[in-house]
Amino acid sequence: KAGVTQTPRYLIKTRGQQVTLSCSPISGHRSVSWYQQTPGQGLQFLFEYFSETQRNKGNFPGRFSGRQFSNSRSEMNVSTLELGDSALYLCASSPMNSGANVLTFGAGSRLTVL
Amino acid sequence: KNEVEQSPQNLTAQEGEFITINCSYSVGISALHWLQQHPGGGIVSLFMLSSGKKKHGRLIATINIQEKHSSLHITASHPRDSAVYICAAISNFGNEKLTFGTGTRLTIIP
Repeated sequence: KAGVTQTPRYLIKTRGQQVTLSCSPISGHRSVSWYQQTPGQGLQFLFEYFSETQRNKGNFPGRFSGRQFSNSRSEMNVSTLELGDSALYLCASSPMNSGANVLTFGAGSRLTVL
Repeated sequence: KNEVEQSPQNLTAQEGEFITINCSYSVGISALHWLQQHPGGGIVSLFMLSSGKKKHGRLIATINIQEKHSSLHITASHPRDSAVYICAAISNFGNEKLTFGTGTRLTIIP
């Protein structure tokens, strides 16, 4: 059974650009949640999607957005990148909502903003 | 003050020692995750528990919802247990958001 796949694994962008990250969940999992991890703030919840609907959202500015497709694959987008957006972005999938189920994490996408 | 606090922040122990990592939270929760993160970033979910105790191999997790406290124990620790351990509380306010602790960096010396 394939795990959670995140692409790209590494990317470098410059300030003001935008970036799109992709997450393919485990087959059959309908919930995808996204997290940002930085040395200063640790892990922070970004948002969760379930059946193509955003179910929860963390305290991030509107530059951070996401969506989920009918096959449960999810993308997150960050527009007008800032230096502080440099982080490891992780997604996790679960069969149902993330709160009530064990999460399976992807390896992450490491974003560097110059 | 963070809603989820972990202690200690760093822990170094000799191989074979019994390890305890603590997690306390100030918000109402329905359950709590324990996560393990190795160098390189990959995160593995160890436990999700809402009451009592769970055991998997040498790992034991306990939670007391009323006292707002959870512990992760590692028996007969091994260098491969060296990692960052993170607890994550699941809010019980209907939205089930995850709030993470700051992590405990564990180093087991052979």
